[in-house]
Amino acid sequence: GIQVEQSPPDLILQEGANSTLRCNFSDSVNNLQWFHQNPWGQLINLFYIPSGTKQNGRLSATTVATERYSLLYISSSQTTDSGVYFCAVDGSGTYKYIFGTGTRLKVLA
Amino acid sequence: EADIYQTPRYLVIGTGKKITLECSQTMGHDKMYWYQQDPGMELHLIHYSYGVNSTEKGDLSSESTVSRIRTEHFPLTLESARPSHTSQYLCASSGPWTPPGNEQFFGPGTRLTVL
Repeated sequence: GIQVEQSPPDLILQEGANSTLRCNFSDSVNNLQWFHQNPWGQLINLFYIPSGTKQNGRLSATTVATERYSLLYISSSQTTDSGVYFCAVDGSGTYKYIFGTGTRLKVLA
Repeated sequence: EADIYQTPRYLVIGTGKKITLECSQTMGHDKMYWYQQDPGMELHLIHYSYGVNSTEKGDLSSESTVSRIRTEHFPLTLESARPSHTSQYLCASSGPWTPPGNEQFFGPGTRLTVL
């Protein structure tokens, strides 16, 4: 099955800094999502982005499907951005997502 | 935004008890999912359903069972809970009314502890 790798595994930033999170996948994908899991365990949808570029406030994402990776950009980070960021992909078109191992982000005030 | 509800949010029970974790969604989504997640780790799919009377096992083997008798309801049952079942259980849904395609939305999760 499709493999999903996220990097870096851990990231510590000072408030106001920018960061780039990466998601590599081993095969073509039909669906791809980015999530933020807050400290209470809730998964929050950030982007549905099987291809192309999207922006939402301080966050943006780009998926280059032909090269099998997606990037999540966080600009001017805030302490509320802390948590775990997951990339999830559906490579088989069966609507079953495979999750990456996540990037654990901590933003310091 | 999808509305997905899970109850209970927290559950502490003894070994051998039968439990049912509830999941309901009000968006008319046809597809529903159960994931298991250990603290700080990735999510693993344990069950999914493409519609009423359709259930399949996911990639992670689980001793739990599910049913899908109504579109909006997808309960998960453990007949005899064990300490190894201690984990967080997350329910999700997606469907034909979720533009643009198959965006999943998650409930708040149930944190299960089996003593």
